[in-house]
Amino acid sequence: DVKVTQSSRYLVKRTGEKVFLECVQDMDHENMFWYRQDPGLGLRLIYFSYDVKMKEKGDIPEGYSVSREKKERFSLILESASTNQTSMYLCASSGDSLYEQYFGPGTRLTVT
Amino acid sequence: EDKVVQSPLSLVVHEGDTVTLNCSYEVTNFRSLLWYKQEKKAPTFLFMLTSSGIEKKSGRLSSILDKKELFSILNITATQTGDSAIYLCAVGDNYGQNFVFGPGTRLSVLP
Repeated sequence: DVKVTQSSRYLVKRTGEKVFLECVQDMDHENMFWYRQDPGLGLRLIYFSYDVKMKEKGDIPEGYSVSREKKERFSLILESASTNQTSMYLCASSGDSLYEQYFGPGTRLTVT
Repeated sequence: EDKVVQSPLSLVVHEGDTVTLNCSYEVTNFRSLLWYKQEKKAPTFLFMLTSSGIEKKSGRLSSILDKKELFSILNITATQTGDSAIYLCAVGDNYGQNFVFGPGTRLSVLP
């Protein structure tokens, strides 16, 4: 079974702090994704990566950056957290079938 | 702007009922439509549809895509309380660079 893990289930940070969200997958998948999920808006793609050190912007990349130094790990960085970044963040990975994504458990981030 | 719309947004049924969830989309360079089930945590993959008119089936769940009318339906027959979840529809484009999710349908199945 594919396993996608995220470093924290719940996180509370202050406005202006730098925030790192880590995602690790154990299936040697090439593709990894970061989404945020907000009520009424569904899942929105922030960034994705199709290879080590490669990244592509999704629909809402503003205020975020990513890092993929190793194939199994994809990090989402909030350089200066703001209250409108309070959300559920979901990481996903996929292999040959780009669209068959497997999701991690999510990190609920609250920025105060 | 690419868009995925789901209806209804919320649905309450009783065990044994059959439900139909709808997903319509407007996406440039459509490649595939996916259905996910989300319970308390992360979405789990159900189906991927790329061709019109071909039904995908898994147990009591089935789904079909109409690329001409730009929609898909997800059917659940003989619903059980364990089917209670949010069902998400997502569409991917040809270039693999754009994944758009709908807002989801919250299904509640009462005993």
